[in-house]
Parts: sequence; C-alpha cells; structure tokens
Amino acid sequence: EADIYQTPRYLVIGTGKKITLECSQTMGHDKMYWYQQDPGMELHLIHYSYGVNSTEKGDLSSESTVSRIRTEHFPLTLESARPSHTSQYLCASSTTGVPYEAFFGQGTRLTVV
Amino acid sequence: KQEVTQIPAALSVPEGENLVLNCSFTDSAIYNLQWFRQDPGKGLTSLLLIQSSQREQTSGRLNASLDKSSGRSTLYIAASQPGDSATYLCALFSNSGYALNFGKGTSLLVTP
Repeated sequence: EADIYQTPRYLVIGTGKKITLECSQTMGHDKMYWYQQDPGMELHLIHYSYGVNSTEKGDLSSESTVSRIRTEHFPLTLESARPSHTSQYLCASSTTGVPYEAFFGQGTRLTVV
Repeated sequence: KQEVTQIPAALSVPEGENLVLNCSFTDSAIYNLQWFRQDPGKGLTSLLLIQSSQREQTSGRLNASLDKSSGRSTLYIAASQPGDSATYLCALFSNSGYALNFGKGTSLLVTP
C-alpha cells in the first residue's frame, strides 16, 4: 500500500470559491506530481516538483497553482473555482533516481456548481 | 515527444480466459515502464514496474514484458476473474522526460 494521501476525496463547491486540495506522502520522495483526469479520459500532467521550493508547470495548461514548502506536502490551489475545473485530481510521488517508481493517491473528485 | 498507445481501448472476456493488453511507445530511451490498474473514480494502483534493463516482471497471475527495441510492452493476465474488471494503464518514464507519460488505457470487463 502506497503511503500517499489526498484530502478531501470528494468536494462539491460553488463557483468563485477558493479551494486547496491536499496531498501528503510519507515515503520521503523528492519528486511529486499533480495529474488531472476527466471521467473516462486520459491523465494529463498539470504540475510537478523536483523538491522543496521547486514547482513546474506540466503539459496541460491549468489555472491552478501549487507550492512545495515541505518535502512531504504538495497542495494544489484554485483561487476561483469554475465549472470547467470539475474533474478528478490525482497526486503522485516517485523515487528521484532509477527506477523512478511512481505511487498515486486515491484522488480528489472536484465538482464546481 | 513520447507517445504511448494502448490497444485495445476496451475488452470484454468471459471469466477464466487468458488475455493480453498491449502498449506501444515511440521513444525507446526510457528508464522504466509501469502498468497500473484504476477502478472507477479511484486512484491508480501500481501492478508491475519493468526497468529498462529488464525484459519482464511477474506478480501472481500478471506478467508484463518489455521490448524496448520495438517499442512494445504487453500485460498478460492469466485465468481472468470478474474482480480484474478495471481500466489498465501503461505509463513510462522517458530519459528526456520529467514525469510519467500515460496511454489512454484499456477498459477490461470480465463477465461471470
């Protein structure tokens, strides 16, 4: 069982609200990632981090932001939620060196009404 | 840019059958290839990881192979069970990349 946790699991929120999705891992991994996945669709990388104070944008443009103040914590924030942000958000971490094995959290399903 | 393709997109088989899921990729310069399972609305569970220097990995009824030269990997599931019903995702970490590249997945349904 991977030691990576996401909260909340489900969130329904009104348009315009600020939200933060939490992700924590206890494996000491430097690399962490956020993926976005619409129902039945493929995963798209939206943010990643090489370690503390490192954040990078991924392949899919996203209005969200991330921070990495502690190794174990990689929260994702939406300043003003919109219905187009409705999706599942998956957090992952991986070993820094070979074999770069990745572990995923259970995901947060976000619905913006 | 690494492109990952999974065939078939969907598969339905009766319980007990052996089956093969396919994954192909365009850039053979990879560190690893990982097969994941995803149940509806859930996160991803890692099934098998094959490092670039390896040819195959086995776990229980699952066997994954890797042929870097041809850009292919297969996931073999023996004696399928209804509990195997899920989406199976192939992902790999390229030498030139910074994160896993995913295929679109194969949706598997095993009927009793």
